[in-house]
Amino acid sequence: QKEVEQNSGPLSVPEGAIASLNCTYSDRGSQSFFWYRQYSGKSPELIMSIYSNGDKEDGRFTAQLNKASQYVSLLIRDSQPSDSATYLCAVKPPGGGADGLTFGKGTHLIIQP
Amino acid sequence: NAGVTQTPKFRILKIGQSMTLQCAQDMNHNYMYWYRQDPGMGLKLIYYSVGAGITDKGEVPNGYNVSRSTTEDFPLRLELAAPSQTSVYFCASSYGAGISGYTFGSGTRLTVV
Repeated sequence: QKEVEQNSGPLSVPEGAIASLNCTYSDRGSQSFFWYRQYSGKSPELIMSIYSNGDKEDGRFTAQLNKASQYVSLLIRDSQPSDSATYLCAVKPPGGGADGLTFGKGTHLIIQP
Repeated sequence: NAGVTQTPKFRILKIGQSMTLQCAQDMNHNYMYWYRQDPGMGLKLIYYSVGAGITDKGEVPNGYNVSRSTTEDFPLRLELAAPSQTSVYFCASSYGAGISGYTFGSGTRLTVV
């Protein structure tokens, strides 16, 4: 059974601090991992993708992947109030299945001014 | 570049009515998906398609039907609407089976009364 687990939050972080969001997945062998940001009432927006173990940085965002421990995380540096949103972790399970990504339920992040 | 376009944005249906949610993409993606998102429940896959003329059921297909006559369009049909179908519906498309993430439409908020 495909599962992607996230803490639903809310996670409250002061402005300017580092926000750390975590996600675990059940399907060992999964190859592709994504973080989506979803503002209230809006559609999910892809902000990071990662495919290899280690860190991937893009501006204030860093995605971290550890396949041995089956977790992926997202760090947001210098958090801004505009980062307040729900962050969805998504995983492409192994194999050639065409049914796409498995999503977690999301973590609600609040950046306190 | 419009990306993924969904119509309508909002709709109220009475129990037993039917409707079609429209989805069109202009990125020449073969893979298209329909998800529903309920509060606190994450994104659940309804149907997906790997190309024109090919569709398959996802996790929660009951009460819905789809067709894919062209690469661009992937409409979702609700027959005999029920209150349990009150949700936000997202259409998404991807290159490959989600290996590079999805592009989402803006969503349709449906209420069945």
